[in-house]
Amino acid sequence: DQQVKQNSPSLSVQEGRISILNCDYTNSMFDYFLWYKKYPAEGPTFLISISSIKDKNEDGRFTVFLNKSAKHLSLHIVPSQPGDSAVYFCAASRKAAGNKLTFGGGTRVLVKP
Amino acid sequence: DTGVSQNPRHKITKRGQNVTFRCDPISEHNRLYWYRQTLGQGPEFLTYFQNEAQLEKSRLLSDRFSAERPKGSFSTLEIQRTEQGDSAMYLCASSLNSGQETQYFGPGTRLLVL
Repeated sequence: DQQVKQNSPSLSVQEGRISILNCDYTNSMFDYFLWYKKYPAEGPTFLISISSIKDKNEDGRFTVFLNKSAKHLSLHIVPSQPGDSAVYFCAASRKAAGNKLTFGGGTRVLVKP
Repeated sequence: DTGVSQNPRHKITKRGQNVTFRCDPISEHNRLYWYRQTLGQGPEFLTYFQNEAQLEKSRLLSDRFSAERPKGSFSTLEIQRTEQGDSAMYLCASSLNSGQETQYFGPGTRLLVL
């Protein structure tokens, strides 16, 4: 059973516009959520995270929103840049379960110049 | 560079051979995780260590897989009698056990079993 889902396999956006990536989860025990960016043949690079006690976290061009009642989180990238073209993974963890990460399937983002 | 390193970056082997991968975590990190990623999927958890103790193994980790972290620093992941289905990217991550943790990943080892 897939506890973390990214329902959009791909997203295309114009440079300078906003990219919005979505992620849904089923396990209400998750208490920490993270977004990673991945280029081909490289390991995931950490972008931003949010604790379950918050509903928003910002870091530069990246903002993560958490809606616990809907079990939904989203990542906003604004403005989008060509270098943002990559696969983005959301992940969730539980401190009581050793913080092991459960990943979604990824969303491929293409930012067009 | 003080990030997570993994060796080798690529490994091609024949079915039935044994392979071993190494992960060197960020030096002050006491937690080390192994994940496996197949094409088109997100990474899947395999096992993790806190210092030298292996605290959990996923049911994905068959008896042919073994991981060690003998001195609480680097870790090795060995696959015995490799099968074609073992072909994947093997990722290592480390974190500081300080509550809610961010895991930092290495570049991965891509395994191809012929």
